[in-house]
Amino acid sequence: NAGVTQTPKFQVLKTGQSMTLQCAQDMNHNSMYWYRQDPGMGLRLIYYSASEGTTDKGEVPNGYNVSRLNKREFSLRLESAAPSQTSVYFCASSDPGFFSYTFGSGTRLTVV
Amino acid sequence: DQQVKQNSPSLSVQEGRISILNCDYTNSMFDYFLWYKKYPAEGPTFLISISSIKDKNEDGRFTVFLNKSAKHLSLHIVPSQPGDSAVYFCAASARGAGSYQLTFGKGTKLSVIP
Repeated sequence: NAGVTQTPKFQVLKTGQSMTLQCAQDMNHNSMYWYRQDPGMGLRLIYYSASEGTTDKGEVPNGYNVSRLNKREFSLRLESAAPSQTSVYFCASSDPGFFSYTFGSGTRLTVV
Repeated sequence: DQQVKQNSPSLSVQEGRISILNCDYTNSMFDYFLWYKKYPAEGPTFLISISSIKDKNEDGRFTVFLNKSAKHLSLHIVPSQPGDSAVYFCAASARGAGSYQLTFGKGTKLSVIP
């Protein structure tokens, strides 16, 4: 009963390095989302994928790219990391029309 | 411009008493509202929701009230328990407009004192 699995759980990057955050869900959900959480800022949507084969920008997409690899997997890529991208990243999934998102446990990313 | 506002960053309540967490929104298109609970080092978990066609929804110790005219909703927890200590996020969506995205507030940290 894994739900939404995110890897890695922790990562430290140097400015300018790239990395991909992985997310996989086993609930057969159609929609997947990437959020970031910063102190005092709540959760802000980066990108989402309403269904396999589609992706759309959210509130804060700059500096990120996403890939919906298949129905299960939705990855988030930082091409050239910046200190402003230090944050906790959450992946979530849901079925369209159902708003009780299931969230992963998060990836804590620090860019130095 | 923040569309979902939780103006109280923190709240402390004695065990057994009522906890009231508040949330205001500005977007008139929002028609579905949710509360999520988050423990440290974990992802948020869905707690309770309410559609704009209702003004109250109950689930055990948790009740959400919606006042559409005031664009205000609140979460009541009765009685509060130490295990309720967490950060609570209010979230909203314009489901009727075809949007499945959730807009979150900044969260309120609830501390229930034994």
